[in-house]
Amino acid sequence: GNSVTQMEGPVTLSEEAFLTINCTYTATGYPSLFWYVQYPGEGLQLLLKATKADDKGSNKGFEATYRKETTSFHLEKGSVQVSDSAVYFCALKSSSSNTGKLIFGQGTTLQVKP
Amino acid sequence: DAEITQSPRHKITETGRQVTLACHQTWNHNNMFWYRQDLGHGLRLIHYSYGVQDTNKGEVSDGYSVSRSNTEDLPLTLESAASSQTSVYFCASSNTNTGELFFGEGSRLTVL
Repeated sequence: GNSVTQMEGPVTLSEEAFLTINCTYTATGYPSLFWYVQYPGEGLQLLLKATKADDKGSNKGFEATYRKETTSFHLEKGSVQVSDSAVYFCALKSSSSNTGKLIFGQGTTLQVKP
Repeated sequence: DAEITQSPRHKITETGRQVTLACHQTWNHNNMFWYRQDLGHGLRLIHYSYGVQDTNKGEVSDGYSVSRSNTEDLPLTLESAASSQTSVYFCASSNTNTGELFFGEGSRLTVL
């Protein structure tokens, strides 16, 4: 079945460091891929998405490229800030699904220190 | 502004009690979802609905039920709460099939 695997956390970085959070998926066809972010005490919110191979999603300085050949959608940011401290979830929507239902990874906690 | 609200935000109950978590959205979205969030498991889908009178089981539906009598609300009921149901519960909605979900702030449930 379809699944999403994220790198183990927590990830601890100093401010202005480069961030990579790995995400790989298993799915048939061409799923849509998403990154959601959960700030402390809040619900999840969409950070970025990509709907086809080689698409790059971007928002708030974060980027992720849909790599069909490696079944990956790694999240990157060139210079993190303390305010980026949150839990990040990778997710997919199957191409065969017309229901809007998402499959989420385990989540990766990012802590940025001043 | 349109929004999605959950209540209660925190609840402590005892094993065997019935518990209902409320979810209300004002976007007029057709699709609504309930997830639970647990350390090491991420988000797991409990139940979902694509419209009034429609309900479907997710991957961890045992011990839970939902009903959809109108567009705005999808209450989640634990018929007989168990300690394994201690978790944070998130309600979400969407009006398209694009995968963008709008989440509530969560309900933290503790079953003693």
